Amino acid sequence: EPEVTQTPSHQVTQMGQEVILRCVPISNHLYFYWYRQILGQKVEFLVSFYNNEISEKSEIFDDQFSVERPDGSNFTLKIRSTKLEDSAMYFCASSQTGTPNTEAFFGQGTRLTVV
Amino acid sequence: GENVEQHPSTLSVQEGDSAVIKCTYSDSASNYFPWYKQELGKRPQLIIDIRSNVGEKKDQRIAVTLNKTAKHFSLHITETQPEDSAVYFCAAKYSGNTPLVFGKGTRLSVIA
Repeated sequence: EPEVTQTPSHQVTQMGQEVILRCVPISNHLYFYWYRQILGQKVEFLVSFYNNEISEKSEIFDDQFSVERPDGSNFTLKIRSTKLEDSAMYFCASSQTGTPNTEAFFGQGTRLTVV
Repeated sequence: GENVEQHPSTLSVQEGDSAVIKCTYSDSASNYFPWYKQELGKRPQLIIDIRSNVGEKKDQRIAVTLNKTAKHFSLHITETQPEDSAVYFCAAKYSGNTPLVFGKGTRLSVIA
């Protein structure tokens, strides 16, 4: 069964450094998402991406964050100048279409720890 | 925007008993309501979903009900087993390519 894959599984970074989280969505999916989950809390939406541009972003997704689809398979989340409070599990997700009743498939997550 | 409330935050049941988790949503335009199960340290996985044109859906021991008038939906797990222990998230989605909005999760513990 196809699945969304994320790398790395764990990332430890110094405060103020930049990190890039990588995702490979399911190949025939067109909509891509990043979510984050602070330990013990709910899954929060960051950004959605379609047709090589951001389609929606939350208030969490400020100028510190950016997304890119550098080639036909990867979807990346860049976090500049990381802060302690950026420590969380980051999930990438993809769906075949953007219609409401289309299942979103989640990757296994990247645990980011900012020290 | 949409807001999803989920209750209870924790739930303990004896093996074999039923578990019910309830969610409410704020935006009447939402029309897709999935439930995700997340085991410790793993990704959220879809276990069942319901569209707004359906009032109830069942899949073996799992069922979901939707009341659009009251804007609430519930997950029912019957004959619970220890492997049902996990965090369960409800979510709602508008029309179009808007993202899923999640509830805060319910930690279900099934005691053998």
